[in-house]
Amino acid sequence: DAKTTQPNSMESNEEEPVHLPCNHSTISGTDYIHWYRQLPSQGPEYVIHGLTSNVNNRMASLAIAEDRKSSTLILHRATLRDAAVYYCILRKGGSEKLVFGKGTKLTVNP
Amino acid sequence: KAGVTQTPRYLIKTRGQQVTLSCSPISGHRSVSWYQQTPGQGLQFLFEYFSETQRNKGNFPGRFSGRQFSNSRSEMNVSTLELGDSALYLCASSLEAAVSRDTQYFGPGTRLTVL
Repeated sequence: DAKTTQPNSMESNEEEPVHLPCNHSTISGTDYIHWYRQLPSQGPEYVIHGLTSNVNNRMASLAIAEDRKSSTLILHRATLRDAAVYYCILRKGGSEKLVFGKGTKLTVNP
Repeated sequence: KAGVTQTPRYLIKTRGQQVTLSCSPISGHRSVSWYQQTPGQGLQFLFEYFSETQRNKGNFPGRFSGRQFSNSRSEMNVSTLELGDSALYLCASSLEAAVSRDTQYFGPGTRLTVL
């Protein structure tokens, strides 16, 4: 399984943008980059995914490097409700299996 | 549309017993996956079912098994429980199977404690 590398923790202030990095140097051409987050005492929640181009949705933006070896999840204005563990996952074609790493624990300060 | 539901939410068992956990996917979803979450190992994939067939299996002993019914509901069973089986067991459903762009929707989990 292709691996991803994320910082263990990051801190942000409320109302400020947050950039969560992820390295995936062994990504293959058909791997989709998925981001999930897990709020305390809840199951993981889908955030966003992409293949090659940058993606935006109501929750976040995903910026993918041109060589696809890294990506960045962008929360445009962090709120206290965004405090969670964020997982960057490479999703292989032909498999439902999500391989979770340790993720990045995001703390949002008021 | 109702989300993924898991029952029971909490369970306490003793070593040597067996346990069955249930998962009802989102209506219309045909794929169900199971994950185990522990503080030490994090989130680990157990297995995935689609159309009543197990399509993929993680690296867990044979004590962990599952099945899927014709209505897509799924159950997982753990026999001969060990202390190390204490974990949050998460179920996730998706519309199709093995589509890498597809989103998985997770339930709230069943917290299993083995004494």
